[in-house]
Amino acid sequence: ETGVTQSPTHLIKTRGQQVTLRCSSQSGHNTVSWYQQALGQGPQFIFQYYREEENGRGNFPPRFSGLQFPNYSSELNVNALELDDSALYLCASSFWQTNSPLHFGNGTRLTVT
Amino acid sequence: AQSVTQLGSHVSVSEGALVLLRCNYSSSVPPYLFWYVQYPNQGLQLLLKYTTGATLVKGINGFEAEFKKSETSFHLTKPSAHMSDAAEYFCAVSDESSGSARQLTFGSGTQLTVLP
Repeated sequence: ETGVTQSPTHLIKTRGQQVTLRCSSQSGHNTVSWYQQALGQGPQFIFQYYREEENGRGNFPPRFSGLQFPNYSSELNVNALELDDSALYLCASSFWQTNSPLHFGNGTRLTVT
Repeated sequence: AQSVTQLGSHVSVSEGALVLLRCNYSSSVPPYLFWYVQYPNQGLQLLLKYTTGATLVKGINGFEAEFKKSETSFHLTKPSAHMSDAAEYFCAVSDESSGSARQLTFGSGTQLTVLP
């Protein structure tokens, strides 16, 4: 069974730039969720994707966007980067069922300077 | 809106001692509850979950938690701490509006230190 994999592991960007983070779901999972974890805090829900459509969004501005592909992999895109976007970005996959728990990847550490 | 409070951002125990990490939640609907563990520079690993049924839930690595509706609590325990238990622990509750385990509200975490 292949777990959730994320790339890259680390990334440094400049304020105002755009970034794309990638995620491959755990084998068999059809739903992908993205979370932002700022230093010293718990993860915060950004959004989730099912059947290639956004299905649920947290309190994040539109410059945070995503994609899900037919093989259930996913991308998180952030435009117009701000210093406060510096965080660990976690991808998690699951089944669509409401009680299906999240399985997380190791995350991408984004630093915005 | 749902919320999670983890009492104690740092907890230290001696090796072999009882581990007790506290979690209180608020939710207007029956919640799903989770404990996750995070080791340095890694993602979150599911320790255990409560969805329905038995209120005492057993997880991996000897951890267990009890759902107490009257106290809105879901405290995590382990009878005997091991050095390898040192990590950050997060309690999480499902989103009220969706009732989904995919949309979670996390607590701010408790860093567990195990002393030799």
